[in-house]
Amino acid sequence: EAGVAQSPRYKIIEKRQSVAFWCNPISGHATLYWYQQILGQGPKLLIQFQNNGVVDDSQLPKDRFSAERLKGVDSTLKIQPAKLEDSAVYLCASSLIAISQNTIYFGEGSWLTVV
Amino acid sequence: DAKTTQPNSMESNEEEPVHLPCNHSTISGTDYIHWYRQLPSQGPEYVIHGLTSNVNNRMASLAIAEDRKSSTLILHRATLRDAAVYYCILSITQGGSEKLVFGKGTKLTVNP
Repeated sequence: EAGVAQSPRYKIIEKRQSVAFWCNPISGHATLYWYQQILGQGPKLLIQFQNNGVVDDSQLPKDRFSAERLKGVDSTLKIQPAKLEDSAVYLCASSLIAISQNTIYFGEGSWLTVV
Repeated sequence: DAKTTQPNSMESNEEEPVHLPCNHSTISGTDYIHWYRQLPSQGPEYVIHGLTSNVNNRMASLAIAEDRKSSTLILHRATLRDAAVYYCILSITQGGSEKLVFGKGTKLTVNP
């Protein structure tokens, strides 16, 4: 079974520039998550989609971050303009539906460095 | 905020069992206990989860205290490939959605 695919794997940008990350979840998974992981910390949930609708975006800095999941499959996370503190690994994950009965599968992450 | 407490780090020797503790004193009756691990430069991967009874799978065993306020992840024979950060997580239901809130986890070092 193919896993969660993410690209690009690595990105270096200057502050105030924009960046976009792409995610392709496991086929058939209705729920898609974007997490931010700063070095030395656990992953923090930014946004959760159920099909193409947003279920939770309470931790998403909406003044600079945006995410969409068109047609309930692939998703894109955008940062504009980037700040130094946005340097982190951005992890995409997917699951069938509710967490309690289902496993969340993570991609390898997109590593962002803002200079 | 994470609802679990774990030691920051632990060490083990190769081929020996490892017991990773987790406290979750505020757990509710319907909260599942999840364990994920994160190898260097990779995304987290599922290890095991349970509700009340002890659970076993090919990767590990999960021992859950009778009052469910603590649990222990057991790796029966640690290998060098088990060196990772291990996260003990309770799923949180907010606004009708369920999500995993990660803490800092326990960094496991396995010595050859």
